[in-house]
Amino acid sequence: QVQLVESGGGLVKPGGSLRLSCAASGFTFSDYYMSWVRQAPGKGLEWVSYISSISTYTYYADSVKGRFTISRDNAKNSVFLQMNSLRAEDTAVYYCARVGASGWYEDYWGQGTLVTVSS
Amino acid sequence: QSVLTQPPSVSAAPGQKVTISCSGSNSNIGNNFVSWYQQLPGTAPKLLIYEDSKRPSGIPDRFSGSKSGTSATLGITGLQTGDEADYYCGTWDTSLSAYVFGTGTKVTVL
Repeated sequence: QVQLVESGGGLVKPGGSLRLSCAASGFTFSDYYMSWVRQAPGKGLEWVSYISSISTYTYYADSVKGRFTISRDNAKNSVFLQMNSLRAEDTAVYYCARVGASGWYEDYWGQGTLVTVSS
Repeated sequence: QSVLTQPPSVSAAPGQKVTISCSGSNSNIGNNFVSWYQQLPGTAPKLLIYEDSKRPSGIPDRFSGSKSGTSATLGITGLQTGDEADYYCGTWDTSLSAYVFGTGTKVTVL
């Protein structure tokens, strides 16, 4: 069965950096785009980033462009989110998700990892 | 500020039907497929509907999706207490080159 397990969240000061990881299993990882989606406390879902199956293409929300970098390691079935210049408004649960085979939708989600940006 | 607008809440008695609207524009719903997600309290979102009206395996046919022009609708029939959750629409926005989620709708079973 498809499993996505995020790690790397925690407390970081404004201006700091954090790297999130997502370990995938139960499917042929290199065949799928992957995404990160976040949810601030008590708020709705916000898409953060996509990466194509062999890292050719990456897409970012305007709110994180230039600060966050998505990457993947198909040999290790993992996707990453490097977050720099963190701000209080980046505080959220970050979900890793698999992008559907036929289009732009997230068909499997991890349990999420909490990132708190505070001094 | 999401580009997809949903009603904040809808409610109905057990066994009844609810519909949730998702309003967008030609740059998103009007020219791209819509998906719907269910988020039960304290859990990760779950895909309910993709490509406007298709259900992943395991999703009961009580859940249905449709689209007309720049609006999409999620329908839930035979409402159950276990359906109490937040529901989000989502689609690609061609102008923004970004995936966008709706504002979210809380479903309450009376």
